[in-house]
Amino acid sequence: DVQMTQSPSNLAASPGESVSINCKASKSISKYLAWYQQKPGKANKLLIYSGSTLQSGTPSRFSGSGSGTDFTLTIRNLEPEDFGLYYCQQHNEYPPTFGAGTKLELK
Amino acid sequence: QVQLKESGPGLVQPSQTLSLTCTVSGFSLMDYSVHWVRQPPGKGLEWMGRMKYDGDTYYNSALKSRLSISRDTSKSQVFLKMNSLQTEDTAIYYCTRQGALFDYWGQGVMVTVSS
Repeated sequence: DVQMTQSPSNLAASPGESVSINCKASKSISKYLAWYQQKPGKANKLLIYSGSTLQSGTPSRFSGSGSGTDFTLTIRNLEPEDFGLYYCQQHNEYPPTFGAGTKLELK
Repeated sequence: QVQLKESGPGLVQPSQTLSLTCTVSGFSLMDYSVHWVRQPPGKGLEWMGRMKYDGDTYYNSALKSRLSISRDTSKSQVFLKMNSLQTEDTAIYYCTRQGALFDYWGQGVMVTVSS
């Protein structure tokens, strides 16, 4: 199975700032990386897939980049609703595998 | 609108069988695949298996010997059965639709394995 390593595990930032979350695959997954947001009491939300394609409804302040084994989720001009957990997931091969998550907290 | 809702027992005894139901609305199970994903408390997400739109199933090899996924298209329901439960199977269990990716998720159901 493809192992996904996310960093950092925790991240503290203030509204208006920009942050980046990294995800590294144990082997090349081409461009097939997705990002999800998880918040208590809400359904998990798909943000980005295929590395950089924004899911319908994802604000443009979110962007994804990378290919091969190294990927980055960047959130510019943080809004209060952006704080929560973020997971990466490879969708290049079965089984789909997820990173351990990054908790984005309010500084 | 698209909705998925998991249901099932909150508590299961060790060595027993877990049975969960995912009831969907807003789309047809014959048009979209539905997957099961679980999340132990405080941990990350683990993909469990898939019911494809054509009725084909595929399982995580780590769970394959214990896991079964089926469906009733007339009731818009997908079922998960997993036997020989242990405490490490304590988790939130989610069903999710595969559109572009996992584009819609249920809220999840917490399952605790304990005597």
